[in-house]
Amino acid sequence: KNQVEQSPQSLIILEGKNCTLQCNYTVSPFSNLRWYKQDTGRGPVSLTIMTFSENTKSNGRYTATLDADTKQSSLHITASQLSDSASYICVVSARTGYSTLTFGKGTMLLVSP
Amino acid sequence: DAGVIQSPRHEVTEMGQEVTLRCKPISGHDYLFWYRQTMMRGLELLIYFNNNVPIDDSGMPEDRFSAKMPNASFSTLKIQPSEPRDSAVYFCASSYGRGTGELFFGEGSRLTVL
Repeated sequence: KNQVEQSPQSLIILEGKNCTLQCNYTVSPFSNLRWYKQDTGRGPVSLTIMTFSENTKSNGRYTATLDADTKQSSLHITASQLSDSASYICVVSARTGYSTLTFGKGTMLLVSP
Repeated sequence: DAGVIQSPRHEVTEMGQEVTLRCKPISGHDYLFWYRQTMMRGLELLIYFNNNVPIDDSGMPEDRFSAKMPNASFSTLKIQPSEPRDSAVYFCASSYGRGTGELFFGEGSRLTVL
């Protein structure tokens, strides 16, 4: 069964600090991995989409890494800001298309002043 | 572009009542998705359409749920009759592509069934 596990479930960090969120998956065959940011009361917004051949992808202060061999991804946030407080959701797509998008339950990040 | 537009943003209803959620996808997108989000289960795909045709409705929980897409700019998700366990946030999303395109989500409709 395709699964996506994220850790930690929640995290509190001080403003200005860095943090790393983890995503492990068992989706097969693998097509791409996506990270979404979901602010409270809003819809998810895409941060990055990574394919099999991409190891690292950046979007401003967000850097995602992918190790397709170990089926792990991480999202690193640099110099955190209060606006980074949100849920971060890892989504993995199998090669068979949209029906097989498997969502993690997210990591809730709180950036404290 | 205004993005994916959903209405209503909040709906409170009593058990047994009919609920209709509405979605306007981004113009030009050929895929439309309905998702449900709860704390326990996260985001779950209910149904998706390609060019207004339902492709996969295996996530629709039961016959009480139905979805339509009469044209490229409008879709509805209906629950009849509603039950308290249907309480959740329902998201509509749209995309352009062949299964790997980026999903653009609406702001969601928060449903509370008393």
